[in-house]
Amino acid sequence: NAGVTQTPKFQVLKTGQSMTLQCAQDMNHEYMSWYRQDPGMGLRLIHYSVGAGITDQGEVPNGYNVSRSTTEDFPLRLLSAAPSQTSVYFCASSLARGDREKLFFGSGTQLSVL
Amino acid sequence: AQSVAQPEDQVNVAEGNPLTVKCTYSVSGNPYLFWYVQYPNRGLQFLLKYITGDNLVKGSYGFEAEFNKSQTSFHLKKPSALVSDSALYFCAVRNEDSNYQLIWGAGTKLIIKP
Repeated sequence: NAGVTQTPKFQVLKTGQSMTLQCAQDMNHEYMSWYRQDPGMGLRLIHYSVGAGITDQGEVPNGYNVSRSTTEDFPLRLLSAAPSQTSVYFCASSLARGDREKLFFGSGTQLSVL
Repeated sequence: AQSVAQPEDQVNVAEGNPLTVKCTYSVSGNPYLFWYVQYPNRGLQFLLKYITGDNLVKGSYGFEAEFNKSQTSFHLKKPSALVSDSALYFCAVRNEDSNYQLIWGAGTKLIIKP
């Protein structure tokens, strides 16, 4: 019972590099989202999706892109990494109807941008 | 604007004593309130939620939370703390008219001492 799987767990980038954080869920959840977690702050929503082919911006979308070609996968792309993007990134999913705030989280990706 | 405050960065409790982790909120309209727990190096896990109804909500691992509309609070409680309850606790809120965007508190580190 895998749940939400994120890869990689750790990543170090140089300023200006691009990369993709992977997220996959096997619970057939319609809703998927990406958050960043910074010290002393609550989680901040980057992007979310309510189903395949549908994405929308959250609170802090700048510098990030997403796509949702399948129900299972929701990758997050950093276009040109900046030190301000150093953070822990979490992917989360839930049912779009009903208990939609019962989010299931991945174990996180710790990203450092030098 | 919606907001959530967790006034204590850290709470220390002796094992076996009752614990309270505080949360206050500000939303327009009726609040939907949530508690999540994060164990070290793990993603967040859902504990409980308040949507409507009884002001005392019971959740996972013996936790409960009390909704107080007049004080705009949603404090997390447990009658008898366990060392294994040591973790980071997050309160979150949204109003009934918003979409999927939860507003998160900064988190409270709970330390249970044997």
